[in-house]
Amino acid sequence: GIQVEQSPPDLILQEGANSTLRCNFSDSVNNLQWFHQNPWGQLINLFYIPSGTKQNGRLSATTVATERYSLLYISSSQTTDSGVYFCAAGSGNTGKLIFGQGTTLQVKP
Amino acid sequence: GAVVSQHPSRVICKSGTSVKIECRSLDFQATTMFWYRQFPKQSLMLMATSNEGSKATYEQGVEKDKFLINHASLTLSTLTVTSAHPEDSSFYICSAGGLAGGYYEQYFGPGTRLTVT
Repeated sequence: GIQVEQSPPDLILQEGANSTLRCNFSDSVNNLQWFHQNPWGQLINLFYIPSGTKQNGRLSATTVATERYSLLYISSSQTTDSGVYFCAAGSGNTGKLIFGQGTTLQVKP
Repeated sequence: GAVVSQHPSRVICKSGTSVKIECRSLDFQATTMFWYRQFPKQSLMLMATSNEGSKATYEQGVEKDKFLINHASLTLSTLTVTSAHPEDSSFYICSAGGLAGGYYEQYFGPGTRLTVT
């Protein structure tokens, strides 16, 4: 099955800094999603992006499907951006997602 | 985005008892629902895939007789942890998925924190 690897595992930023989170996947996919898990455990959908580039406010994501990686960009980080960011990928027609191990982001004031 | 609810949000039960967790998609009909468990500081591990009106498909290593899944309608799936033991204590998260706008996307419930004493 698909394997999903995220880097870095941990990231500490000063408020206002920019960051890039990376997600590598081992096989071709038809589903690639980025999530933010808040301190209460809720996963919030950030992007559905099996290919191409999308932007939503201070966040943007790019997936290069042919090279099997996706990047999540956070600009002008805020303390509320803290939490765990997960990348999840899937293929086939089951809709199943395989999650990476996550990147824990801490934004300091 | 779509809204998925879970109930209860937190439950404490005694070892040997059973616990039922409900997952509802509130504003769309989910063709498929998924159940995950997450241990502290770890990632989400898929337990099973549930399609309305059919038996759930369990991932390797997940005991189907211990984790009973029922998907009675397009908006409701339930997970019953039978004869719970302390090692079943975990954060259980459901998601609902379906085709929207030509692509398939999963939306997650807020999770249920189970503690078995």
